[in-house]
Amino acid sequence: QVQLQESGPRLVKPSQTLSLTCAVSGGSFTSIDYYWSWIRQPPGKGLEWLGYIYHSGTTHYNPSLKSRISISIDTSKNQFSLALGSVTATDTAVYYCARFRIDSYGYSDYWGQGILVTVSS
Amino acid sequence: EVVMTQSPATLSVSPGERATLSCRASQSVSVGLAWYQQKPGQAPRLLIFGASIRATGIPARFSGSGSGTDFTLTISSLQSEDFAVYYCQQYNKWITFGQGTRLDI
Repeated sequence: QVQLQESGPRLVKPSQTLSLTCAVSGGSFTSIDYYWSWIRQPPGKGLEWLGYIYHSGTTHYNPSLKSRISISIDTSKNQFSLALGSVTATDTAVYYCARFRIDSYGYSDYWGQGILVTVSS
Repeated sequence: EVVMTQSPATLSVSPGERATLSCRASQSVSVGLAWYQQKPGQAPRLLIFGASIRATGIPARFSGSGSGTDFTLTISSLQSEDFAVYYCQQYNKWITFGQGTRLDI
């Protein structure tokens, strides 16, 4: 059974960098079949894909965030990380990490429980 | 960017009835369409991928159809645990989600 767990600071000050890590257990972290992704959900709103990373380190980011976002991976620890810079109150959201299967279809089959990050001074 | 539009925003249905949720893409995504269910305080759960393939463990009352730009999620006989928010998601280089349909009793 694949499990994902987000961790990191739950309160970030405006203009600072939001940093989160997702620890993955079960399954094959370096499988060619998956990207490892970040998705967020502002309170009471819908889902927004932020970006994903392949085990090789190849990344794809949401163009709306491209100047502020960085995703990295540590295959020795089975974890990947999100850094989002210059945050404002609009970055307050529940942040989810998820496994994204890349085949003919593309879908997230396993998700972390999510972590609420609040941007406030 | 492929824009996904879900309708209606809210659907009120009685238990035992049939619910039909729609999702439209701004350009063709072939069958690169997934549906997720989200309950309050929980992460989304994958229901359908490839527009019509049920994920592991998903009851047969959930079915998906469509291709290209128009997709439908049908729940044939609503159970109490089905009342939630449903999102569609496309994969065509990038990922985009619809804004969600809330299924209310």
